[in-house]
Amino acid sequence: GAVVSQHPSRVICKSGTSVKIECRSLDFQATTMFWYRQFPKQSLMLMATSNEGSKATYEQGVEKDKFLINHASLTLSTLTVTSAHPEDSSFYICSASHPGQGDNTQYFGPGTRLTVL
Amino acid sequence: QKEVEQDPGPLSVPEGAIVSLNCTYSNSAFQYFMWYRQYSRKGPELLMYTYSSGNKEDGRFTAQVDKSSKYISLFIRDSQPSDSATYLCAMGLRQAGTALIFGKGTTLSVSS
Repeated sequence: GAVVSQHPSRVICKSGTSVKIECRSLDFQATTMFWYRQFPKQSLMLMATSNEGSKATYEQGVEKDKFLINHASLTLSTLTVTSAHPEDSSFYICSASHPGQGDNTQYFGPGTRLTVL
Repeated sequence: QKEVEQDPGPLSVPEGAIVSLNCTYSNSAFQYFMWYRQYSRKGPELLMYTYSSGNKEDGRFTAQVDKSSKYISLFIRDSQPSDSATYLCAMGLRQAGTALIFGKGTTLSVSS
């Protein structure tokens, strides 16, 4: 149990286009999902916390108008990178909090590698 | 001082060695401690979690927490080449849905 999927696993796009990344909890309901980005050989950087049915909470320095997050259901959160530029190229990973376990255990998706040309 | 400090390594050991990975933290409010393993270009995989001081064992892995010293460790016994990965410590509140703080990760290489 506790499987989180992400789609797509890899995307290459042209500068100026928008890209949507989906994060799904497959076998549990996640009231909270988190979005991270990770640069090569760096740790995870939390971008935002996404709660089902409410607006996401963004970390300092993360542009909310550029990284649109929607958590419309208990099993799906989406991250849209709007007007992507080469500096947005990174590895984006989501995680989901599994409330059924009664603690703060978080499970990660496999990640999405975004390359902006 | 950063909230969580983790030596990035790299750490290279021969197959069969005992590996010790460590993190220190400064926030005494942290109640929940986890270790994740991340292979290159993959998402982190949960290895172990604990919320009490002392040791917790799972197969070849032992997680140790010393809250008085604000120090956590992960021990890997009989290390295998398949253990070669980056190991991330993470910690935070026990309450579900709150953000975790991650260490930078230690890169481990086990040679056969």
